[in-house]
Amino acid sequence: EVQLVESGGGLVKPGGSLRLSCAASGFTFSNAWMSWVRQAPGKGLEWVGRIKSKTDGGTTDYAAPVKGRFTISRDDSKNTLYLQMNSLKTEDTAVYYCTTEVGVVTAIFLTWGQGTLVTVSS
Amino acid sequence: QSVLTQPPSVSGAPGQRVTISCTGSSSNIGAGYDVHWYQQLPGTAPKLLIYGNSNRPSGVPDRFSGSKSGTSASLAITGLQAEDEADYYCQSYDSSLSALFGGGTKLTVL
Repeated sequence: EVQLVESGGGLVKPGGSLRLSCAASGFTFSNAWMSWVRQAPGKGLEWVGRIKSKTDGGTTDYAAPVKGRFTISRDDSKNTLYLQMNSLKTEDTAVYYCTTEVGVVTAIFLTWGQGTLVTVSS
Repeated sequence: QSVLTQPPSVSGAPGQRVTISCTGSSSNIGAGYDVHWYQQLPGTAPKLLIYGNSNRPSGVPDRFSGSKSGTSASLAITGLQAEDEADYYCQSYDSSLSALFGGGTKLTVL
């Protein structure tokens, strides 16, 4: 069974940092493109960024609101995806989901984790 | 303000048909990028409902269908059931390699 389990959420002060993890199982993680999607309380979905598989270059893309503050990385030996969040703002408060991303010249978010809540507040 | 525009809410009685629209522009849907739809039941993670404009993943009932024309797309749900009450999101792509979501539509089954 394909499974994604996020962890690492919590309460952090504005300007602080937090690292989220996403443990993957049930598929060949090293071949997968992975994305993070967030959802602010009571709001819609917002794509945060992606990391490609190493065979496809391992490069990252980010949404404008997080570019330069967030970093996505992966450890294929541990089947784990990471989201390093720095210089956090109150507007980063959200549930963060990790997803598998498939598709050619598109992005389909196929499998989703259960999400982890990040609260940025003083 | 989302780049893809959806109605905030729609409603229908059990057994009825409802549609949810998703309007984009020439830089996303109108540029030929596919539209995908997700269903988010209360308190749960989103789930892929329709991909590639009109394709259903295994396990999704054929009561759900999708279409795309020009700069817009639509999700149709026929034979409405109480368990269809959820938030629905459209999603596409743009030339900057960004994934875009609609603002979401809350479906109420009367």
